[in-house]
Amino acid sequence: DIQMTQSPSSMSASLGDRVTITCRASQDIGNYLSWFQQKPGKSPRRMIYGATNLAAGVPSRFSGSRSGSDYSLTISSLESEDMAIYYCLQSIQYPYTFGAGTKLELK
Amino acid sequence: EVQLVESGGGLVQPGASLKLSCVASGFTFSDYWMSWVRQTPGKTMEWIGDIKYDGSYTNYAPSLKNRFTISRDNAKSTLYLQMSNVRSEDTATYYCTRARGAYWGQGVMVTVSS
Repeated sequence: DIQMTQSPSSMSASLGDRVTITCRASQDIGNYLSWFQQKPGKSPRRMIYGATNLAAGVPSRFSGSRSGSDYSLTISSLESEDMAIYYCLQSIQYPYTFGAGTKLELK
Repeated sequence: EVQLVESGGGLVQPGASLKLSCVASGFTFSDYWMSWVRQTPGKTMEWIGDIKYDGSYTNYAPSLKNRFTISRDNAKSTLYLQMSNVRSEDTATYYCTRARGAYWGQGVMVTVSS
């Protein structure tokens, strides 16, 4: 199975901060990487697909990037509504695998 | 508007069977692969498996393949997850999703306990 190592597991940041969350893939996954946001008591919401593509309706402060086997989700200027758990998902090879999640909290 | 509505969860005893359903609306169900994903109480996400748009092909997480079965009824726009010989570690919230997570249902809780 492809392992997705996500970091950090949790972080706190201030409003307006630039925040970056990273997933490292244990094998080549090309751009088959998605990012999801999950707020308390809610279902996950896809934010990024194909490593860099913004899903419909997602604010432009969110972006995705890739450097080799490292994939990043960046929030350019943190807003209060961004407090959530974020997960990555690789979908190039079965079984698809998620990162362990990053809990983003307000400092 | 795409909607996915799961049902069929609840409290079930170890060793029992359970069938979850997911009714889809707002899109042509028969055009899309569909998946099941679960989330443990500790918030770990696990992909369970998926099914091709015509139901002719399925994939499963190896650890679940012998106990879980995914099927669909395109005439009813409904996705199913048959769970058998359930264990305490199957306690989770189960989500149906369209394709690779483009849309998610609200989730249904399954608790395995005696």
